[in-house]
Amino acid sequence: AQRVTQPEKLLSVFKGAPVELKCNYSYSGSPELFWYVQYSRQRLQLLLRHISRESIKGFTADLNKGETSFHLKKPFAQEEDSAMYYCALRPQSGGSNYKLTFGKGTLLTVNP
Amino acid sequence: EAGVVQSPRYKIIEKKQPVAFWCNPISGHNTLYWYRQNLGQGPELLIRYENEEAVDDSQLPKDRFSAERLKGVDSTLKIQPAELGDSAVYLCASSSGTVTGELFFGEGSRLTVL
Repeated sequence: AQRVTQPEKLLSVFKGAPVELKCNYSYSGSPELFWYVQYSRQRLQLLLRHISRESIKGFTADLNKGETSFHLKKPFAQEEDSAMYYCALRPQSGGSNYKLTFGKGTLLTVNP
Repeated sequence: EAGVVQSPRYKIIEKKQPVAFWCNPISGHNTLYWYRQNLGQGPELLIRYENEEAVDDSQLPKDRFSAERLKGVDSTLKIQPAELGDSAVYLCASSSGTVTGELFFGEGSRLTVL
């Protein structure tokens, strides 16, 4: 079974401060990890995926297989980063378990 | 591009009543998903379609939930009869296959069962 844990329901930082949203996962095989984001009054959308190793809107996330973590980081938070963030996992191998499993989400608030 | 379109946006019904949700995916997307999101939780997959075939419905409570995707385009999710615990947001998503893992979500249908 695959499971995603986001230990913080709420995270509040000041503008310009670094931010880290934690994500830990449990899966016996090789996972693919994603971060999805939902801004106020908008639909859920993909922010980034670990395979792409990209930086989107200043956010990065590194897959640490030893610690089974995929934390989302940004060195200088902006007010427009305030949103609900969901970490998600799916098996790399496909098949019948080829589904995206989401964590419960972390609500990030960036204060001015 | 309108994106994934869902209706209705909001629905309030009494328990034991039936309810149906409709989803129109992005044109050309052959994979369609229905997720349920309870308050304070992340989305949970109910069913996944590849074209008109339901390839993963293991999490769909089949005693009261049903879904169909006729002609491999639009999809309908039905609950009959609804229970208090079915109150949630029902999200539809689509993707052009499963390679990238990027799902495009609709705005959701918020169901309240009284």
